[in-house]
Amino acid sequence: QVQLVQSGAEVKKPGASVKVSCKASGYTFTSYDINWVRQATGQGLEWMGWMNPNSGNTGYAQKFQGRVTMTRNTSISTAYMELSSLRSEDTAVYYCARRPVRGVSRMDVWGQGTTVTVSS
Amino acid sequence: DIQMTQSPSSLSASVGDRVTITCRASQSISSYLNWYQQKPGKAPKLLIYAASSLQSGVPSRFSGSGSGTDFTLTISSLQPEDFATYYCQQSYSTPVTFGPGTKVDIK
Repeated sequence: QVQLVQSGAEVKKPGASVKVSCKASGYTFTSYDINWVRQATGQGLEWMGWMNPNSGNTGYAQKFQGRVTMTRNTSISTAYMELSSLRSEDTAVYYCARRPVRGVSRMDVWGQGTTVTVSS
Repeated sequence: DIQMTQSPSSLSASVGDRVTITCRASQSISSYLNWYQQKPGKAPKLLIYAASSLQSGVPSRFSGSGSGTDFTLTISSLQPEDFATYYCQQSYSTPVTFGPGTKVDIK
């Protein structure tokens, strides 16, 4: 079945970086963009950016420009999101979600989420 | 950035009730509006895309309508598994933005 499986929970110190993976299966990896969305505890959904697995092209929310990098390894159908210079406000659940490259834009399959805790 | 608002922020309803949630965009987004359902500890689930298209596998009691700046999500007969938080999201322009959510709980 179509699924996105994310890497496990992370605990990081302020100033460190975290890299979350998102492994796709059940569909053609390069036919869908991968988006990243985060959610702090008890808060709403915040879009971070997107990556096209075919071209490697990316687009980031201005808030994260300079701190986020989205990459992929097409040989293993895996996308990555790296966030640097972590601060306590980055503590959240991070989700990957696929979005069709063509047609109506919507995030139709989501990963299970990765909890990132930033604490000294 | 396009700002999304939702009303109400929460509501209490009973099984079998008809529930309507409203979403408003700060500028016209045509029909580039999606709805998601999220249960505690789970990832969001796509319900409705392009304002009124039902995602495959989603029960027909869910429906969406609207265009421009005003949109609604309707649950025709609330079921026990529908108690959750609902988010609207615009896909008209980058950055993608979500509404703050509407929590539906049991009366």
